[in-house]
Amino acid sequence: RKEVEQDPGPFNVPEGATVAFNCTYSNSASQSFFWYRQDCRKEPKLLMSVYSSGNEDGRFTAQLNRASQYISLLIRDSKLSDSATYLCVVNPGNTDKLIFGTGTRLQVFP
Amino acid sequence: NAGVTQTPKFRVLKTGQSMTLLCAQDMNHEYMYWYRQDPGMGLRLIHYSVGEGTTAKGEVPDGYNVSRLKKQNFLLGLESAAPSQTSVYFCASRSQSGELFFGEGSRLTVL
Repeated sequence: RKEVEQDPGPFNVPEGATVAFNCTYSNSASQSFFWYRQDCRKEPKLLMSVYSSGNEDGRFTAQLNRASQYISLLIRDSKLSDSATYLCVVNPGNTDKLIFGTGTRLQVFP
Repeated sequence: NAGVTQTPKFRVLKTGQSMTLLCAQDMNHEYMYWYRQDPGMGLRLIHYSVGEGTTAKGEVPDGYNVSRLKKQNFLLGLESAAPSQTSVYFCASRSQSGELFFGEGSRLTVL
């Protein structure tokens, strides 16, 4: 089992839709979790950190489920500009490494 | 505010040639990383450093060497390039809060 797994998609959704991505992780001792966004042929950029209590930033909501070992990202009222690949990142906690998922591609159409 | 700068951005090599990728950060971060990104594979960690003078292996270290002689610089070397090393290479530095700041990437083609 991979340390971090994501559905590669693509998720094709119309503008205004709500879409959710999940990311599962294998190490129960994992401590830190992040969602990054990567546009085509660009570098990844931090979208948001994921806190135990869940957190929201505008149209984006991130949640952590430690019992089932997954994190989620919910995007409400999708915009064309949300089209990108969303990367899940996990710090296993016992190393200095950050492990990336392979990413979920989102395509928002008019 | 430069952040993380990678040079060169593009390079074409012949098999067996050597080269060095330079990563420089101006945020005084201790942690720095080198990743490679290939289609369908996501970002894979090559080597990383937790401070000046230290380096450690990541998931895919073979064929690469690194050095961190100065805190702000993290060099990635290919001693004898192979076609399997054709990839996009990203350098990143990490803040105390855990956020990674990436360079724009270096696209390497090995013929």
